[in-house]
Amino acid sequence: TQLLEQSPQFLSIQEGENLTVYCNSSSVFSSLQWYRQEPGEGPVLLVTVVTGGEVKKLKRLTFQFGDARKDSSLHITAAQPGDTGLYLCAGGTSGTYKYIFGTGTRLKVLA
Amino acid sequence: NAGVTQTPKFQVLKTGQSMTLQCAQDMNHNSMYWYRQDPGMGLRLIYYSASEGTTDKGEVPNGYNVSRLNKREFSLRLESAAPSQTSVYFCASRDGINQPQHFGDGTRLSIL
Repeated sequence: TQLLEQSPQFLSIQEGENLTVYCNSSSVFSSLQWYRQEPGEGPVLLVTVVTGGEVKKLKRLTFQFGDARKDSSLHITAAQPGDTGLYLCAGGTSGTYKYIFGTGTRLKVLA
Repeated sequence: NAGVTQTPKFQVLKTGQSMTLQCAQDMNHNSMYWYRQDPGMGLRLIYYSASEGTTDKGEVPNGYNVSRLNKREFSLRLESAAPSQTSVYFCASRDGINQPQHFGDGTRLSIL
């Protein structure tokens, strides 16, 4: 069974601080996606990474896919209250239609 | 521009009752999915449909059935609801492998 473990599970920080969220597995994935979910809504895609070692930037968010395609990280620079939410990683395996979701990191940014 | 629409948004059932959760997408996507979300467990796949006319089990299919009615609609049925099925249920669709999933806003289901 493929599993994706995210850490930390909860994070509460002050506005302006930096943070990193990790997504780890013992399995290899052909692609990995990061989603953000706000209360009462479904997850919304932030980014997809497909190449080992790939780094993608989305404004203050930096996403990295591990060289072995077993892990990923999300780094937020100068966090803002609008970044508050549940962050989910999801791994896809080549040739299947299924994605495995991580356990989630709940981020709260205090003004 | 609706995307993925789920109905109902909220539902309370008694143990043993049955109900069907509805999902429709207007993006002409081939694949559709049903997930449940429980605290501390992320999203777990119940069933999915890779294309119209096909359905397959996910991680946690027991107690559920699905129907891919047509390309737009994918329903999830609880035949005999149990308290362990209290959860938030999300439907999603996507265009193909490695493409992003588009989610509905969820159905909050409580079973007493």
